[in-house]
Amino acid sequence: GAVVSQHPSWVICKSGTSVKIECRSLDFQATTMFWYRQFPKQSLMLMATSNEGSKATYEQGVEKDKFLINHASLTLSTLTVTSAHPEDSSFYICSASTPRGPYEQYFGPGTRLTVT
Amino acid sequence: RKEVEQDPGPFNVPEGATVAFNCTYSNSASQSFFWYRQDCRKEPKLLMSVYSSGNEDGRFTAQLNRASQYISLLIRDSKLSDSATYLCVVAPYSSASKIIFGSGTRLSIRP
Repeated sequence: GAVVSQHPSWVICKSGTSVKIECRSLDFQATTMFWYRQFPKQSLMLMATSNEGSKATYEQGVEKDKFLINHASLTLSTLTVTSAHPEDSSFYICSASTPRGPYEQYFGPGTRLTVT
Repeated sequence: RKEVEQDPGPFNVPEGATVAFNCTYSNSASQSFFWYRQDCRKEPKLLMSVYSSGNEDGRFTAQLNRASQYISLLIRDSKLSDSATYLCVVAPYSSASKIIFGSGTRLSIRP
């Protein structure tokens, strides 16, 4: 299957700081990437859909000014958590969709964010 | 009604057993269907796409019944390493758009 990398794999930051997470599709071009968040023992929650060269589409209830998404190339999307708070501590996972049907999504290994 | 519903589980079966997971979806216009597995504290990994003709990959067989809006996954000769949460996933559109996850079914294989 296709490979998606994510960096960093874990990060600890202080309240009020910003954290940038990178998601890369290593062996295919992904016009569309997705960002999810998962709390312990819960399902994945889609935060936003990231389209190369255009603005991200955010799900209801997700603050676009807090979770900044940039998809500057066909292989890279970034999520910046701005002014992080302890309640932002979670497992953030990106995925990249293959460019042709059936448009399978391949997931990065995730980033575990802890805000102190 | 949830868009994608799965057996709640958990399933606890002995090694070597055959186990079946079921999933139903509400949007009859859904285009693509998948099974993922997710290990604890890891990302979901694509297990297989599901086609109307049914498909098999080793010990795993997936079936799709569009008329009943039903998807299944069969695991034969289960191994300890099959222990994971299995996610039924439905793509509503025939494009690179968001996918809908079932809540997952947890499977534990005991020696």
